[in-house]
Amino acid sequence: LAKTTQPISMDSYEGQEVNITCSHNNIATNDYITWYQQFPSQGPRFIIQGYKTKVTNEVASLFIPADRKSSTLSLPRVSLSDTAVYYCLVGFGGSQGNLIFGKGTKLSVKP
Amino acid sequence: GAGVSQSPSNKVTEKGKDVELRCDPISGHTALYWYRQSLGQGLEFLIYFQGNSAPDKSGLPSDRFSAERTGGSVSTLTIQRTQQEDSAVYLCASSLSPGGPGYEQYFGPGTRLTVT
Repeated sequence: LAKTTQPISMDSYEGQEVNITCSHNNIATNDYITWYQQFPSQGPRFIIQGYKTKVTNEVASLFIPADRKSSTLSLPRVSLSDTAVYYCLVGFGGSQGNLIFGKGTKLSVKP
Repeated sequence: GAGVSQSPSNKVTEKGKDVELRCDPISGHTALYWYRQSLGQGLEFLIYFQGNSAPDKSGLPSDRFSAERTGGSVSTLTIQRTQQEDSAVYLCASSLSPGGPGYEQYFGPGTRLTVT
């Protein structure tokens, strides 16, 4: 399964757009890119998933370039409650199914 | 509907004792996963169940760790002769099926294990 590299931490202010980029140079053809969010003392929560180009939902957007070797999670107009750790994962699962979580990006949103 | 539940939420045990951690997945989810998260670290995959079988046990750190799943539902993670390095939050997740679009795992709140 492909490994990912993302910044350890990021700081932002309320109302700003936050972009977190993840590198996954050895992504496989059938791998999907998925982002999870984790608050302290809680399990991770699915945010968004994509395969190529752009995906948008009510929470975030995911931008994936044509070579798929990286992806960017975009959080519009963050608030204090968006302070959390964000994990980028790649994989398909198939018969194995497990996700490989790195240390994620700790996003701190300040007032 | 009900999410993934885990019990106990907290467990303090003495070194050398055995512990059992329980996971109740979302009804109808065929896939179940166990992860471990040490303080300030990312999640470490332990084991994955598809139905009652475990095609991937590669993440279990030692033979002191075992897990089973019965009736395609509840799963129990057992740690024998606990060591201090076993202290962590143990997270369970379930999904409808592995792979492909919609491959979303739903996580429980975790069990915080402290070995003294």
